[in-house]
Amino acid sequence: DQQVKQNSPSLSVQEGRISILNCDYTNSMFDYFLWYKKYPAEGPTFLISISSIKDKNEDGRFTVFLNKSAKHLSLHIVPSQPGDSAVYFCAASLMYSGGGADGLTFGKGTHLIIQP
Amino acid sequence: DTAVSQTPKYLVTQMGNDKSIKCEQNLGHDTMYWYKQDSKKFLKIMFSYNNKELIINETVPNRFSPKSPDKAHLNLHINSLELGDSAVYFCASRSSGGRTDTQYFGPGTRLTVL
Repeated sequence: DQQVKQNSPSLSVQEGRISILNCDYTNSMFDYFLWYKKYPAEGPTFLISISSIKDKNEDGRFTVFLNKSAKHLSLHIVPSQPGDSAVYFCAASLMYSGGGADGLTFGKGTHLIIQP
Repeated sequence: DTAVSQTPKYLVTQMGNDKSIKCEQNLGHDTMYWYKQDSKKFLKIMFSYNNKELIINETVPNRFSPKSPDKAHLNLHINSLELGDSAVYFCASRSSGGRTDTQYFGPGTRLTVL
């Protein structure tokens, strides 16, 4: 039973354009959401996060949007650069619900390919 | 100056053997984790360890046991290895308290059981 879903295994975007990665979750108790970026043969690297009390968080070229009613979040990267090519994992946590020590629940990842 | 390190990076072994994977973090964090990424690419929590409190994912076989000699280390021992244990294992750490739940991951250990 996947509680965090990333339905697009891969996404191809032209350099300079906007990349939009989507994530859906089923557990309404999740209250903290993160995006991680992963290159081959490396561990996931934290990218950006958002708590459930917000609907948007921005950090440079990266913006995460949260729609709690739809249980949906998205990561926008603009402009996309070749170095953004990687697998992006969406993750959710029960931090404020008291379950933070249980770790993160990850989606299956989306492989983003930035084409020159 | 690697924040979270794991050794070895690759581990190839026979079924039935016992092996260990080491993890060290120099971030001063007091909560550490082990995750498993299987062939289907799912990253799943196995254990979390905080101030000597161990929280175990119920689906993890008891052949797997984490050992923490000190706050900076959380090693993973695996007994009687099986073919299905082949996966990439990631260690992570987090600072408890505060207002974020950001975890920092090690580079992973690719375990292959033959």
